[in-house]
Amino acid sequence: EVQLVETGGGVMHPGGSLRLSCVVSGFTVNTNYMNWVRQAPGKGLEWVSMIHRDGNTYYADSVKGRFVVSRDQNSNTLFLQMSSLRAEDTAVYYCSTTTGEFWGQGTLVTVSS
Amino acid sequence: QSALTQPASVSGSPGQSITISCAGASGDIYNYDSVSWYQQHPDKAPKLMVYDVTKRPSGVSSRFSGSKSVNAASLTISGLQTDDEADYYCSVFTDNYITVFGSGTKVTVL
Repeated sequence: EVQLVETGGGVMHPGGSLRLSCVVSGFTVNTNYMNWVRQAPGKGLEWVSMIHRDGNTYYADSVKGRFVVSRDQNSNTLFLQMSSLRAEDTAVYYCSTTTGEFWGQGTLVTVSS
Repeated sequence: QSALTQPASVSGSPGQSITISCAGASGDIYNYDSVSWYQQHPDKAPKLMVYDVTKRPSGVSSRFSGSKSVNAASLTISGLQTDDEADYYCSVFTDNYITVFGSGTKVTVL
């Protein structure tokens, strides 16, 4: 059975840093294209980042230079390192396969002073 | 890449059919075969309903069907049921590995 479980969300001050994790079971994280997608409260889905099978990474303009996506084959985990956090980064963050077939349950990040 | 445009809301009565449109800027939807549709119930993760414009994942009802024309992609829900009431999002996966989501449509079953 495929499962994606995100952890690491919480309340942060503007300018702070946070690392989200997405533990994957049922397939190997480094053989799939993997996305981070976020959803601000009451708003729509926003693509954040993707890591290609070959390790190349891609980012939305809104997070470029502040967020870094990575993965660890040993723990089969996807990560999102977020820095210079802003109020507008407040959202539920989901990891998913880029195909959209599998999603985690999401983890809430709140950036507030 | 700008967000794809969807109607804010669509409604229908049980048993009816409804169609949700998804338009890209400058007709760029036409260029993509990687159009997907998601259903999202409140406080739940999105669920893939259609991918590659017309394909359905295993387990998704045949009442959900996708199509594409020159200027827009569409999701049709036939035989509308109360559980279909949810938010729906289209998306495209672009040649430069960016996923673009639509603005979202709230479906109400009257």
